[in-house]
Amino acid sequence: KQEVTQIPAALSVPEGENLVLNCSFTDSAIYNLQWFRQDPGKGLTSLLLIQSSQREQTSGRLNASLDKSSGRSTLYIAASQPGDSATYLCAVRALQGGSEKLVFGKGTKLTVNP
Amino acid sequence: EAQVTQNPRYLITVTGKKLTVTCSQNMNHEYMSWYRQDPGLGLRQIYYSMNVEVTDKGDVPEGYKVSRKEKRNFPLILESPSPNQTSLYFCASSWALGANVLTFGAGSRLTVL
Repeated sequence: KQEVTQIPAALSVPEGENLVLNCSFTDSAIYNLQWFRQDPGKGLTSLLLIQSSQREQTSGRLNASLDKSSGRSTLYIAASQPGDSATYLCAVRALQGGSEKLVFGKGTKLTVNP
Repeated sequence: EAQVTQNPRYLITVTGKKLTVTCSQNMNHEYMSWYRQDPGLGLRQIYYSMNVEVTDKGDVPEGYKVSRKEKRNFPLILESPSPNQTSLYFCASSWALGANVLTFGAGSRLTVL
């Protein structure tokens, strides 16, 4: 059974710092891995999607990497801003036993202090 | 605007009173799914649908029903709600299985007394 773990559960940094969020998964047979942002009381916003054949994706100050063989992904946020404060979730998408599965980690709550 | 719309956004109900949470997308997506989010448990998949008239169970389907009679709509039905179904529910859609970005609705907060 696929399990997704995100470490740390919470992170507090000063504005301007570069930071890395970690995501690990137990089964490497995945279609893709997606990073989401969730603001309090709101839905999920997709940040980056990495296909299983890709190593990384970039969007603005965000860079996500994927190492399927080791079951790891990282989300790098450059020059963090208070507006980056949110919970960040990773999810792996895979077909297992004929059923589509999307498995989420429990998230990392990020606070960027002015 | 391309979006996934859920209704109601907030609902308080009582045990046993049937309710339906609607989900509609305007992107002509084939794939739709429902999740619940609970503190300490994260997001868990309830049901999903690969296309019209094709639905399948996720990880926590007990106590829920779904239907997919048309491509744009995927309602979540709680025939006899119980307090353990108090949760934040999300609907999501994408073009198809696999390689596509999943777009989420804003969420529906359900309280069952």
